[in-house]
Amino acid sequence: DVKVTQSSRYLVKRTGEKVFLECVQDMDHENMFWYRQDPGLGLRLIYFSYDVKMKEKGDIPEGYSVSREKKERFSLILESASTNQTSMYLCASSLNKWGKNYSPLHFGNGTRLTVT
Amino acid sequence: SQQGEEDPQALSIQEGENATMNCSYKTSINNLQWYRQNSGRGLVHLILIRSNEREKHSGRLRVTLDTSKKSSSLLITASRAADTASYFCATDAASGGYQKVTFGTGTKLQVIP
Repeated sequence: DVKVTQSSRYLVKRTGEKVFLECVQDMDHENMFWYRQDPGLGLRLIYFSYDVKMKEKGDIPEGYSVSREKKERFSLILESASTNQTSMYLCASSLNKWGKNYSPLHFGNGTRLTVT
Repeated sequence: SQQGEEDPQALSIQEGENATMNCSYKTSINNLQWYRQNSGRGLVHLILIRSNEREKHSGRLRVTLDTSKKSSSLLITASRAADTASYFCATDAASGGYQKVTFGTGTKLQVIP
């Protein structure tokens, strides 16, 4: 079974701190994704990556950056955390590079980040 | 921008009844997927329907897709209390040749025993 592991379940940070959210998958998946989930807004795509060192902006990349130095690890970075980044962050991975192939996303259990 | 919008936002039914959730999206897609999320957890993939398919079944799940109307529906038959969860549709559209999956806002389903 595919396992996607997010390093922290809960995280509390102060405004202005640099925050790292880590995600590791164990199935050699090419694609990895970061979403944030807020009540009434569903999941919104922040960044995604289709290969090592490659990244693409999602729908709400402002205030975030990402790093993918190894295939299995995809990090989300909040350069200077703000209170409006308080949210649930979900990482996912998928096998195929091309969207036309059957390729469901496998999710981690999420990191609930609170910025005070 | 949000690709999918689910309707209704919340649904409460009795055990044994059928539950229908709808999803509308904005741009052309390669496939559409439905996911389930139990409270406070990650999402789990339920079923995928390709853009050239109109209907698909998996156990008690039935999904339809109407690409002319840019809409899909998920039917859960003979619902159980364990089906209580949030359900999301996700559209898979190639972005520069790469898989880009965007989600709707979700339907919260409550099945009353």
